[in-house]
Amino acid sequence: QSALTQPASVSGSLGQSITISCTISSSDVAIYYLVSWYQHHPGKAPKLMIHEGTKRPSGVSHRFSASKSGNTVSLTISGLQAEDEADYYCSSYERRSTSWVFGGGTRLTVL
Amino acid sequence: QVQLVESGGGVVQPGRSLRLSCAASGFTFNSFAMHWVRQAPGKGLEWVTVTSYDGSNNYYAESVKGRFTISRDNSKNTVFLQMNSLRTEDTAVYYCARGKVPESYLDYWGQGTLVTVSS
Repeated sequence: QSALTQPASVSGSLGQSITISCTISSSDVAIYYLVSWYQHHPGKAPKLMIHEGTKRPSGVSHRFSASKSGNTVSLTISGLQAEDEADYYCSSYERRSTSWVFGGGTRLTVL
Repeated sequence: QVQLVESGGGVVQPGRSLRLSCAASGFTFNSFAMHWVRQAPGKGLEWVTVTSYDGSNNYYAESVKGRFTISRDNSKNTVFLQMNSLRTEDTAVYYCARGKVPESYLDYWGQGTLVTVSS
């Protein structure tokens, strides 16, 4: 099965930009184009932030963007705000096993 | 607006069963796939299962295959998760979520229901 590896934590100051990486171990090329990112405040419903690699749903701030380089996809948050402090997960669909895989999650701390 | 409300969680002994429900509103339920995703205490999100719009195609994580069954009642806009032979490692908050098709991203999630498996 594919593996998605994220750093356990990242931090940044108010107004700064941060990037959360998601390294993908998979032989399925399509997995990179199916990556989605979720924001999760503890005790709340997870929220879709990015889908199909780089697409931002309506209603999600333009401060959130995504990119891909090699076998790593990344979520960038610019102009950090206090409410961005949350857990972030990358995820993708694996065709071979017809299953969804989540990264381990990254805790973002806004200083 | 889209709403997903989970229910049915609680404390259950190992080896016993529990059925979770997720009531949907605000969209055409029978046009969407529905997922269950869980989060164990202190851990990350783990995908559990998905059912297609009509319930004809269901897929499961290896960790629950043969023990959990997903089903849906499109007349009641509700998706279910029947959990049998529960283990302590099944302790988690269980979220239902919506997707256009089983392989599509999960665009709306509920707030979850807590299942605790303990003797």
